Amino acid sequence: AQSVTQLDSQVPVFEEAPVELRCNYSSSVSVYLFWYVQYPNQGLQLLLKYLSGSTLVESINGFEAEFNKSQTSFHLRKPSVHISDTAEYFCAVSTTGNTPLVFGKGTRLSVIA
Amino acid sequence: NAGVTQTPKFRILKIGQSMTLQCTQDMNHNYMYWYRQDPGMGLKLIYYSVGAGITDKGEVPNGYNVSRSTTEDFPLRLELAAPSQTSVYFCASNPGANVLTFGAGSRLTVL
Repeated sequence: AQSVTQLDSQVPVFEEAPVELRCNYSSSVSVYLFWYVQYPNQGLQLLLKYLSGSTLVESINGFEAEFNKSQTSFHLRKPSVHISDTAEYFCAVSTTGNTPLVFGKGTRLSVIA
Repeated sequence: NAGVTQTPKFRILKIGQSMTLQCTQDMNHNYMYWYRQDPGMGLKLIYYSVGAGITDKGEVPNGYNVSRSTTEDFPLRLELAAPSQTSVYFCASNPGANVLTFGAGSRLTVL
């Protein structure tokens, strides 16, 4: 079975500063990895995904994540955050073959003006 | 396209009451899921379905039931509500590549 650990439950950061949200996973087989974002009182939205190929994946709003197989990590980074990035971020994993996603406990990112 | 629609958005139940959370998707996705979200605990899978007529248990199925008679609908039934079922429930669907589309959620309080 797979599992996901998000190492930080809350991350406060000043506007325009860089941020890294950490995610480690455990699996005995190949995995697909995802970051989802949840804005207040909304459902989750896909931010970015790693399925295969390049280990560095990017979102349209400036986030990026790098799949590191040796460290079993998929950390999310942004070089300069905005107030609008304030949200909860969930890392998720599944094995190849459309098994249901397993989510981490989430990291609440608070951007301070 | 409405995507994934959940009703009701909010509901308060008394202990022992029953109710059904409705979920409908108009994207012709085969895969559908019910998750519950509790503060600081992330999302836990309750039940999922890989197509009409096929359902399977997730990590936390006790106290819930589901059915999948059509591709579009995946209702979640609570038979005897308990305070431990106070949560936010999310329905999601997936065309087959793990890119889930979530509904807006149903907030349930059991008193």
